[in-house]
Amino acid sequence: RKEVEQDPGPFNVPEGATVAFNCTYSNSASQSFFWYRQDCRKEPKLLMSVYSSGNEDGRFTAQLNRASQYISLLIRDSKLSDSATYLCVVKAGGFKTIFGAGTRLFVKA
Amino acid sequence: GAVVSQHPSRVICKSGTSVKIECRSLDFQATTMFWYRQFPKQSLMLMATSNEGSKATYEQGVEKDKFLINHASLTLSTLTVTSAHPEDSSFYICSARGAKGGETQYFGPGTRLLVL
Repeated sequence: RKEVEQDPGPFNVPEGATVAFNCTYSNSASQSFFWYRQDCRKEPKLLMSVYSSGNEDGRFTAQLNRASQYISLLIRDSKLSDSATYLCVVKAGGFKTIFGAGTRLFVKA
Repeated sequence: GAVVSQHPSRVICKSGTSVKIECRSLDFQATTMFWYRQFPKQSLMLMATSNEGSKATYEQGVEKDKFLINHASLTLSTLTVTSAHPEDSSFYICSARGAKGGETQYFGPGTRLLVL
């Protein structure tokens, strides 16, 4: 089993749609969780951290479920510019950071 | 946010040559730097982790003698691909983490290596 698993997609949604991604992790001792966004042929960029109580940043909402060991990202009112690959990132103890393979999102007009 | 630069952004070289890639943290001291490789349509693969002033820790399957990492200062780490071959062609990305960034990793823009 992979340490961090994501549905690779692609998710094809129309503008204005709401889309959600899930990510599961295997290490119950994982401590920190993030969502990164990676555009084609570019480096990953931090989208948001994920907190235990859940957190929201504009149209983006992240949630953490430690009992089930998954995190989620919800995007409301999708924009064309949201088209990218979304990477789930999990940090265990020490310096080890594990990246998921990413979920590809295409938002169409 | 914190800024990490990489140089060069793109390099084309002949098989057998060595290529050095620089990674710099521009506005913070990076106590830890990471080197990743990404093949087309694949996920980031961690190659090695380096802490300033100490030897890098390589991931399983990554040859330390082929991918030389030097983290000589708190703002600079270098990756040298020695005797590069076509299968080394990839997108190499560094990231840095330090006191300013906390747990967040900031990525450099990446270096595209093409070995002919």
